[in-house]
Amino acid sequence: EPEVTQTPSHQVTQMGQEVILRCVPISNHLYFYWYRQILGQKVEFLVSFYNNEISEKSEIFDDQFSVERPDGSNFTLKIRSTKLEDSAMYFCASSDGQGQHFNYGYTFGSGTRLTVV
Amino acid sequence: GQNIDQPTEMTATEGAIVQINCTYQTSGFNGLFWYQQHAGEAPTFLSYNVLDGLEEKGRFSSFLSRSKGYSYLLLKELQMKDSASYLCAVNSGYALNFGKGTSLLVTP
Repeated sequence: EPEVTQTPSHQVTQMGQEVILRCVPISNHLYFYWYRQILGQKVEFLVSFYNNEISEKSEIFDDQFSVERPDGSNFTLKIRSTKLEDSAMYFCASSDGQGQHFNYGYTFGSGTRLTVV
Repeated sequence: GQNIDQPTEMTATEGAIVQINCTYQTSGFNGLFWYQQHAGEAPTFLSYNVLDGLEEKGRFSSFLSRSKGYSYLLLKELQMKDSASYLCAVNSGYALNFGKGTSLLVTP
């Protein structure tokens, strides 16, 4: 079964440092997403990406965050200057459609656990 | 705004049936998802409803009433491995808006 792959699985970084989280979406998917889940809390939407541009973003996705699709397979989330409150599990997801046109293909990766110290 | 409510915790016995409810009030509706999440792992897709009615998929079924802003996930023949969090998520626009999840404990 096709998978969304994320690397690294764990990342520890010092406050103020930049981090890049990497994702390889499912190959025939066109829509890409980042979500985060702070320990013990709900999964929160950060950003969606389609046709090489951001299609929607939440209030959490401020100027410290950016996304990029540097080549035909990777999708990255960059946090420019990490804060303690950025510590969370970050999930990448991809889908094959939008709105009412999903073909049950909204799939999450296994996540990157980011710890800011 | 977005408001998605589901019970925090439920307990059920192995072999039994359990129903997890979800009510929602969202700006925009393009469908409702149910995901299973084990601790420290990614959400795993269970079901998707966009039209009213029941969708059945093996031991799992999901129901949607758009007029009532209500869905439920029905799990039959519960197994110990079904102990997990069950997440209700509404798709509006591009985003999935998640509830806080229902932690289900299956006991022998």
